[in-house]
Amino acid sequence: DAGVTQSPTHLIKTRGQQVTLRCSPKSGHDTVSWYQQALGQGPQFIFQYYEEEERQRGNFPDRFSGHQFPNYSSELNVNALLLGDSALYLCASSHPAPGADYGYTFGSGTRLTVV
Amino acid sequence: QKEVEQDPGPLSVPEGAIVSLNCTYSNSAFQYFMWYRQYSRKGPELLMYTYSSGNKEDGRFTAQVDKSSKYISLFIRDSQPSDSATYLCAPLAEGGSYIPTFGRGTSLIVHP
Repeated sequence: DAGVTQSPTHLIKTRGQQVTLRCSPKSGHDTVSWYQQALGQGPQFIFQYYEEEERQRGNFPDRFSGHQFPNYSSELNVNALLLGDSALYLCASSHPAPGADYGYTFGSGTRLTVV
Repeated sequence: QKEVEQDPGPLSVPEGAIVSLNCTYSNSAFQYFMWYRQYSRKGPELLMYTYSSGNKEDGRFTAQVDKSSKYISLFIRDSQPSDSATYLCAPLAEGGSYIPTFGRGTSLIVHP
């Protein structure tokens, strides 16, 4: 049973460029959430997608946008990259609400470095 | 005041010790409580998931929730060097979109 897969694993971009990160959820999960984790900090919530719609958004600027596809996979797009966007970007998949199988499961992340 | 607070550590213990990792929170709407383990440069791995107050045990791990004092604990018995990681607590409220709020994590080092 494949877990959450993210691609690419590492990425180096130049300030001002745009980047797209991808996530495939765990089999059976239909909800995808994206997080940004700076070094030494906990994951910060960016947004969550369910039924191809943005269900909730954290305190991130509009430069961060996303999409969910009919097969539940998701993309995170960041425009006009800043040096401060350098971080580990994590994708988590789950069912839409807690229960015995809520399973808020993370991928291994994409490490983005902006130079 | 942050919604979820954790001492970042590092907490250094000898192999075999009982470890106590703690977390406090401010939002009384939190009903579900998760603990994650994160190895360096990896994604967080779900360890324990509990609902409301009380204890839950899974092998060497015990999660304890005291909602009256808004205090969450994770105990690790017979700690091993492989337990060396950052431990994140992540409570979430009932209703809405069920988005967990993460603490910054506590770094644990278990030395042989």
